[in-house]
Amino acid sequence: EAGVVQSPRYKIIEKKQPVAFWCNPISGHNTLYWYRQNLGQGPELLIRYENEEAVDDSQLPKDRFSAERLKGVDSTLKIQPAELGDSAVYLCASSFSAQITDTQYFGPGTRLTVL
Amino acid sequence: GNSVTQMEGPVTLSEEAFLTINCTYTATGYPSLFWYVQYPGEGLQLLLKATKADDKGSNKGFEATYRKETTSFHLEKGSVQVSDSAVYFCALRRGQGAQKLVFGQGTRLTINP
Repeated sequence: EAGVVQSPRYKIIEKKQPVAFWCNPISGHNTLYWYRQNLGQGPELLIRYENEEAVDDSQLPKDRFSAERLKGVDSTLKIQPAELGDSAVYLCASSFSAQITDTQYFGPGTRLTVL
Repeated sequence: GNSVTQMEGPVTLSEEAFLTINCTYTATGYPSLFWYVQYPGEGLQLLLKATKADDKGSNKGFEATYRKETTSFHLEKGSVQVSDSAVYFCALRRGQGAQKLVFGQGTRLTINP
């Protein structure tokens, strides 16, 4: 069974440029998460989707970050414009549901470098 | 708020040594506790978990016991291998609508042959 797929794996951009990350969750998983992992730190949740609905986006910097999950499957996370402090690894995870007993499976992440 | 504190790294051991990575947590209620591992170039993988006090999670020779009295979930392995070299993350997750994982900062483990 395929795991969580993310692309691109690496992205280097100049500050003030836009950037987008794509995630394809495990088939049948209704809950999708975006985390940000700063260097030397653990991941922190940005947004959680249940199907196509964003149910927890309290940590998403809404002035420059946006996300969507059309049709409740794939998801895209966008930053516009990017700032130097956005350099991090962006992780996507999925689980069958949001029940605490359901394991979250993580993708390999997209490493973003903002110059 | 909820938080997880892990042992400072990096940790370097010789093959077949005994491993302990300390993890303590602060949380309201009764969280579930997890250890995730990140091998080089790969995504986070669930290593083991425990959902209530005194539960012991185990996998691939690793063990951790949920200690409510000391709010700890230390990771142990009796004999490490070179292939165990990775970054280990302790995390908690509460029920009652708080579905996100709260991670510690991670501990980088290097095992030398």
